[in-house]
Amino acid sequence: QPVLTQPPSSSASPGESARLTCTLPSDINVGSYNIYWYQQKPGSPPRYLLYYYSDSDKGQGSGVPSRFSGSKDASANTGILLISGLQSEDEADYYCMIWPSNASGVFGGGTKLTVL
Amino acid sequence: QVQLQESGPGLVKPSQTLSLTCTVSGGSISSGGYYWSWIRQHPGKGLEWIGYIYYSGSTYYNPSLKSRVTISVDTSKNQFSLKLSSVTAADTAVYYCARVELITMIVGPWGQGTLVTVSS
Repeated sequence: QPVLTQPPSSSASPGESARLTCTLPSDINVGSYNIYWYQQKPGSPPRYLLYYYSDSDKGQGSGVPSRFSGSKDASANTGILLISGLQSEDEADYYCMIWPSNASGVFGGGTKLTVL
Repeated sequence: QVQLQESGPGLVKPSQTLSLTCTVSGGSISSGGYYWSWIRQHPGKGLEWIGYIYYSGSTYYNPSLKSRVTISVDTSKNQFSLKLSSVTAADTAVYYCARVELITMIVGPWGQGTLVTVSS
């Protein structure tokens, strides 16, 4: 199964933006996949945030603020979760996921976001 | 609103079989359109797919666990179950059941998770 690479940690101050990345292996083209993002706070199950395929094909989870958005960097074969106007409640672990064909979903290793 | 709840022993001895059940409320497993999944999370680590089942009984298992995993469904009880055989300490984890919507492939809702510790 493919390995999705996420930085183990990231930090930013309240009000700033956080850019979390999810890099796909070179044999998988990020342009061909929906990139799903999940948020997990301590002691709770993950929560679906959004998916991003393109600007015309994306979906926000129910109740997820518009401060959370997705994008891709094709040159880096990377999916991106952008969180603008950071709030203390955004401190959590964030996981990306894709669904390779004929397989289960594959999660990235997760990024722990600290709001300073 | 669909809700999922895991149940089963929190402590399993090495070499024995881990057995968990997920009870679905607020919706019917038999309605179709969803995969019913098991995902685990080792302490302080990331998420790992175990596998999933469709209401018809068709399954997919993570290749790394396939030889030890069985997922089954009981539509009469609106439940699906996980059996993981020959467990070791490496199987100590929080086990989540979750629903996957086939149209969007979004995972959710999730159960609250249950910690299973493998220890003698």
